[in-house]
Amino acid sequence: GQQLNQSPQSMFIQEGEDVSMNCTSSSIFNTWLWYKQDPGEGPVLLIALYKAGELTSNGRLTAQFGITRKDSFLNISASIPSDVGIYFCAGQLWYNYGQNFVFGPGTRLSVLP
Amino acid sequence: DTAVSQTPKYLVTQMGNDKSIKCEQNLGHDTMYWYKQDSKKFLKIMFSYNNKELIINETVPNRFSPKSPDKAHLNLHINSLELGDSAVYFCASSLDRENEKLFFGSGTQLSVL
Repeated sequence: GQQLNQSPQSMFIQEGEDVSMNCTSSSIFNTWLWYKQDPGEGPVLLIALYKAGELTSNGRLTAQFGITRKDSFLNISASIPSDVGIYFCAGQLWYNYGQNFVFGPGTRLSVLP
Repeated sequence: DTAVSQTPKYLVTQMGNDKSIKCEQNLGHDTMYWYKQDSKKFLKIMFSYNNKELIINETVPNRFSPKSPDKAHLNLHINSLELGDSAVYFCASSLDRENEKLFFGSGTQLSVL
């Protein structure tokens, strides 16, 4: 079945640094999504990407949908302590009954003051 | 006002017991989901309902039975709980079966002893 890989698995950065994380797949997806999960909470949607090559920003977050539709990256600029959490990428697939999603294993981000 | 609310937040029970998790969304969405997050934080879909009708049923044991009394509610009943059922279960909803934006509840942490 479809599988997503995320790198790095975890990262420790200093407050104020920029962060970059990737998501790759052997399959093509219709839409790529980036979610953030805070401890003890459910994932929250950060950015949705719809077209190959699309670059989208949401505040300090920037994400791009790869040209091949098999990868995406998420950048966070000027990190702050509340950026701590797990970042998941997800690919959307279409079926005759509707949609389904495949989630990556997540990138765990720690921000040191 | 919590958009997707699930109860209980924590559930500790003995092997062999039967338990239920309730989920309600006040977003007016047509489609609801149950996801399982294992100890490695990997998110995997279990079920999806659209307007009270089952549309996705992944390879989940028959001991898991979802019920949707109306489109705002999707409950999960688990019979004969096993140790391997310990995980965090997330309810989610989307506007309809084609809208890519998922809204997650805060999760139910199930511990089977």
